[in-house]
Amino acid sequence: SQQGEEDPQALSIQEGENATMNCSYKTSINNLQWYRQNSGRGLVHLILIRSNEREKHSGRLRVTLDTSKKSSSLLITASRAADTASYFCATDAWETSGSRLTFGEGTQLTVNP
Amino acid sequence: DAGVTQSPTHLIKTRGQQVTLRCSPISGHKSVSWYQQVLGQGPQFIFQYYEKEERGRGNFPDRFSARQFPNYSSELNVNALLLGDSALYLCASSTRTGVGETQYFGPGTRLLVL
Repeated sequence: SQQGEEDPQALSIQEGENATMNCSYKTSINNLQWYRQNSGRGLVHLILIRSNEREKHSGRLRVTLDTSKKSSSLLITASRAADTASYFCATDAWETSGSRLTFGEGTQLTVNP
Repeated sequence: DAGVTQSPTHLIKTRGQQVTLRCSPISGHKSVSWYQQVLGQGPQFIFQYYEKEERGRGNFPDRFSARQFPNYSSELNVNALLLGDSALYLCASSTRTGVGETQYFGPGTRLLVL
């Protein structure tokens, strides 16, 4: 079963606008990661935020984490057509013998030129 | 350095057949994980291997099996294929197992079961 739920499921914006995607999860986590996927291909790691962090930046990306609400948001500023992709949040929790990523359903972002 | 590679890129099988998917991790990475991504959904964890030992298994039937070789490459086998096994199968590698390890994904193998 999926750990998280992304909101919205689909988002369409114009180039230059900001895009905000939200993720909620259900269980305690060690960290939360965001991935991008272009057209059903492999996933690209964007950013990792640890459970004791509240905000993290990487270039045009800003991620926030609220562990009390079990939610995270990904903000892409000054979006470009090349940002068109599906974005997934994934939680990472230590298992007894390894680790695994639990992904949400994803947000399909379309950036119109 | 080459990224994670997977073969084949596409595969068409019929119900009841068996399939083997292959993955080569990034050089120096000792952990390989497999995920299944059904169209329109997020990836779901199938297996993780580290140093040739199974370190985790997702909620998949015994028809799914995997192994890791001494060179850290991995194979995922699926027996008695069902229509519902049609999906993108993703392999990811990391330097080691554990929380916080960035996983690097390959391009995936798209399996269609008819």
